Amino acid sequence: DTEVTQTPKHLVMGMTNKKSLKCEQHMGHRAMYWYKQKAKKPPELMFVYSYEKLSINESVPSRFSPECPNSSLLNLHLHALQPEDSALYLCASSKDTDTQYFGPGTRLTVL
Amino acid sequence: KNEVEQSPQNLTAQEGEFITINCSYSVGISALHWLQQHPGGGIVSLFMLSSGKKKHGRLIATINIQEKHSSLHITASHPRDSAVYICAVSRGGAQKLVFGQGTRLTINP
Repeated sequence: DTEVTQTPKHLVMGMTNKKSLKCEQHMGHRAMYWYKQKAKKPPELMFVYSYEKLSINESVPSRFSPECPNSSLLNLHLHALQPEDSALYLCASSKDTDTQYFGPGTRLTVL
Repeated sequence: KNEVEQSPQNLTAQEGEFITINCSYSVGISALHWLQQHPGGGIVSLFMLSSGKKKHGRLIATINIQEKHSSLHITASHPRDSAVYICAVSRGGAQKLVFGQGTRLTINP
């Protein structure tokens, strides 16, 4: 299984909502990543988890809260988002510093 | 100036043409990655290079560490190769990738 899955594929939420994005992999990878990608721009790293511990936080606003419940699962909890947070959110995983495998992304729209 | 620069930004070619996309970087790296993103989102990792050359099907990636330059070549291009190709570098064994701005490739039938 060389797949990273993300749910949901699309999400529309209001600025007062609380929602979560989910990412799962069963490749035994111990590093997992959240990226944000705006249209026609490269991905921007948000968070890295290594061995289920947060190792990199790229100064992301606290309205984004990551969680790694186990080595296969990565969540991104969303609360009080702004319209400018609308973007494609990509999850990736890797064996430490090796090739990153990306999921298909969640397209988020904040109204 | 970005740490990773790609050229060209946009490239349109006819089916069958030989395609070259270039990537230059300004810092020491541990590895260089070529990624492909089709419209609609998903990113696929094509190559991870630290030296020399790699080939997979019609795709060839080369890197010159001394010149801090890499190229991605596509032979016998096909409309399904139409995508954004992104160069990214990792430094000092770090997990963080530094991305170029991408090259939007369109192959016309």
